[in-house]
This record gives sequence, C-alpha cells and structure tokens, in this order.
Amino acid sequence: GAGVSQSPRYKVAKRGQDVALRCDPISGHVSLFWYQQALGQGPEFLTYFQNEAQLDKSGLPSDRFFAERPEGSVSTLKIQRTQQEDSAVYLCASSLAGAWRTEAFFGQGTRLTVV
Amino acid sequence: GESVGLHLPTLSVQEGDNSIINCAYSNSASDYFIWYKQESGKGPQFIIDIRSNMDKRQGQRVTVLLNKTVKHLSLQIAATQPGDSAVYFCAETGGGATNKLIFGTGTLLAVQP
Repeated sequence: GAGVSQSPRYKVAKRGQDVALRCDPISGHVSLFWYQQALGQGPEFLTYFQNEAQLDKSGLPSDRFFAERPEGSVSTLKIQRTQQEDSAVYLCASSLAGAWRTEAFFGQGTRLTVV
Repeated sequence: GESVGLHLPTLSVQEGDNSIINCAYSNSASDYFIWYKQESGKGPQFIIDIRSNMDKRQGQRVTVLLNKTVKHLSLQIAATQPGDSAVYFCAETGGGATNKLIFGTGTLLAVQP
C-alpha cells in the first residue's frame, strides 16, 4: 500500500525480553518520527530521523530504547529488557520534508503489552 | 455537552449538528498546528493544518480557527456524521526546527444518530 506500514500490529513480551518494532515509511519521505501513545493519552515524541541521520532522540525514555534507520527508509525501534511501563502503542510517522511545515502521515501502530 | 470521560473530555452531539472542539496549546513559539482524528485501533489521521500567519482555514466540512493571543485552537465540523465519532487531537510544533509534534490531551467526539 501507499501508507506507512508498521509491524507487528501486536506484540506481547515477557518482562525482560527484547523487542524490535518495524516501520516502513511512505516511499520518498525524508522525515521519520517515532511516538509512544499510552492508553487514553496523546502520542508523545520519541525520536526523529532525517534520511538516515537521527537528529533528535530527546524523547527516548531511557537507554533501553534505541532506534535506527540505516538506509534512510525502513526504521526499527528496539526496546531492551522490556518493563511493564513500556506497554503502549508505538506509532511511526513520515513526512516529505524535514524542516518545512508539512503534514505527517501515521501508521496504525504496534501495540506492545509487557507481561 | 462536555464531560470528563475515561481520561478524555467528551463532546456528545446529535447527527447533523455542528461540532466545535477546543484546544489550548502551550508554546507561544509554535508556528504550525495540525488536527488529527484517531479511531479506535488506528493511527492518527490528518484532518487539517494551519500556520501561525493565518487565523482561519477551511477544508471540506471542517474549519480550524487559531487565536494566538490566547493560544487557542478550535476545530469546527459542519453537519456532524456518525463516521466523525473518534478522538480528536490538536498538535503543535513548539517552534522547533523540525516537524516534531506536541499533542494535546484529546477530545472524544460521540455522535448520536
């Protein structure tokens, strides 16, 4: 499809397990964002890539969270040693430009449940 | 009327009525604002945006109003339909150099048939 694709849609992890969440942005989109959305809350910024460069990781809650976009297209958000407070929906968004004010398109998200 | 539901303010309207959803944003340096609609189990969907050099922008059945003096944003939906039922978020850029968005709390719009 032409939209932002995320996989898996649902992930259940045991506490302490590592997880990897994948995002396929819209083809040609320079900017890629990861957000975390807790139940009943608005999305909260985690990190931002412009092509393969991670320009802002100020929202990553701890050093257990790591994101990469090695070839400037697909991105992976990795969470090491998952904890219950990591349970949330992880949303990926992409947009055509970097600094210019343009709309971001969101994927459907990955719902992570840590048990 | 409005009420506080499960962590979300709720606006309940009759089908065919106009809806107005309000948002107070936090950063006076924000220069770009977006309204998103989020249905259950889906990602946020772009509705309309507005830049800070404008005070009004219209789309199809939707209008966004921006009042920078009081840092207030509103979304007006004309002739509300059952398919408009969702959570609506306003988002701002915070004046940063990137399109990183800061989202508001969200409002649940419930359309009664």
